[in-house]
Amino acid sequence: DTAVSQTPKYLVTQMGNDKSIKCEQNLGHDTMYWYKQDSKKFLKIMFSYNNKELIINETVPNRFSPKSPDKAHLNLHINSLELGDSAVYFCASSQSETEAFFGQGTRLTVV
Amino acid sequence: SQQGEEDPQALSIQEGENATMNCSYKTSINNLQWYRQNSGRGLVHLILIRSNEREKHSGRLRVTLDTSKKSSSLLITASRAADTASYFCATVRLNTDKLIFGTGTRLQVFP
Repeated sequence: DTAVSQTPKYLVTQMGNDKSIKCEQNLGHDTMYWYKQDSKKFLKIMFSYNNKELIINETVPNRFSPKSPDKAHLNLHINSLELGDSAVYFCASSQSETEAFFGQGTRLTVV
Repeated sequence: SQQGEEDPQALSIQEGENATMNCSYKTSINNLQWYRQNSGRGLVHLILIRSNEREKHSGRLRVTLDTSKKSSSLLITASRAADTASYFCATVRLNTDKLIFGTGTRLQVFP
């Protein structure tokens, strides 16, 4: 069983579209994250959810909105996609400041 | 920027040699973690060292932590070609669940 799974793995879309990336964890963790990895491989934290409450909201554009229907899911919705949004997005989960488990990433390409 | 710095940015060695990567960070932390990322894949947790620990071992990995200098090092002994990957340090800021990654070191081990 995959601990943290995110879909889709690849996403190619046109500028201006709205898209969602889904993430699910079966580890029973309380905290889930979204990270953006750019072309230089820098990993930047975007959001963190703890027990369905947003506890970190980094200075990302409000076109990005995390949605958590329950503790096991943290989806990322992006409105009005821009070229600069092209990157690999990683979902992760952890429990009480211990190791984080990562999904395999979603490579988003905006054309 | 909250992001930590790692050096070197890239490291090339021969199989059997040791690889040392360094990480510096900026804030008080609960713990520091090291992760590995193979090309095109998600991150995998390697080792966690708490702020009250100075050294930790796991197999061929040795991690040190100097909280007074806000720095850590990862030593991989007797490297193998399969160790080729990017390595990231990540810190959990004090009293938060915020997991912040460094800039990463790309390690290439030649057979």
